[in-house]
Amino acid sequence: GAVVSQHPSRVICKSGTSVKIECRSLDFQATTMFWYRQFPKQSLMLMATSNEGSKATYEQGVEKDKFLINHASLTLSTLTVTSAHPEDSSFYICSAPSGGLTDTQYFGPGTRLTVL
Amino acid sequence: DAKTTQPNSMESNEEEPVHLPCNHSTISGTDYIHWYRQLPSQGPEYVIHGLTSNVNNRMASLAIAEDRKSSTLILHRATLRDAAVYYCILRYGSSNTGKLIFGQGTTLQVKP
Repeated sequence: GAVVSQHPSRVICKSGTSVKIECRSLDFQATTMFWYRQFPKQSLMLMATSNEGSKATYEQGVEKDKFLINHASLTLSTLTVTSAHPEDSSFYICSAPSGGLTDTQYFGPGTRLTVL
Repeated sequence: DAKTTQPNSMESNEEEPVHLPCNHSTISGTDYIHWYRQLPSQGPEYVIHGLTSNVNNRMASLAIAEDRKSSTLILHRATLRDAAVYYCILRYGSSNTGKLIFGQGTTLQVKP
């Protein structure tokens, strides 16, 4: 099946620094990708829709200047957490529609961000 | 997005069938019923989806009520690797480019 990768799988950073997370579709193209955040023992919360060649669409309450999204190609979307703080520590997950007739979305393995 | 209601948790014994229920009384005629599951510390994975008819695949079966206000995900023989959080999600239309809105899901424990 289709594979979505994320890099890095985990990252620890100091408060105030910026962290970039990559999401790649490995064997298919994705004009749309989605970014989610998940806190411990909670469900996934959709943050934004990443659109290739245009601006991302953010969900209500998500700061677009805090979470910068760039969808530079049909196989790569990046999420940059700017000026990270401890409350940004979370599990970040991306997904991409598979295309075709299967009507599925493929999720990346997630990135564990810890801000000290 | 129409809302789904699932039990918070369920238990099953290994190698026994598991029936995971989902209520979606406000489902509209064009909403597809999707199931995803999330193993610990991993991203979710697709399980199955359907519109009106029951569906089977290698992972599970999906039984949809005639009035479509509820559905049941059936794992025919649970294994320890099936321990996960199972999410029932409604999505408008047949396009797979639409976003998924996750509820709280059902945490399935499988006992040896």
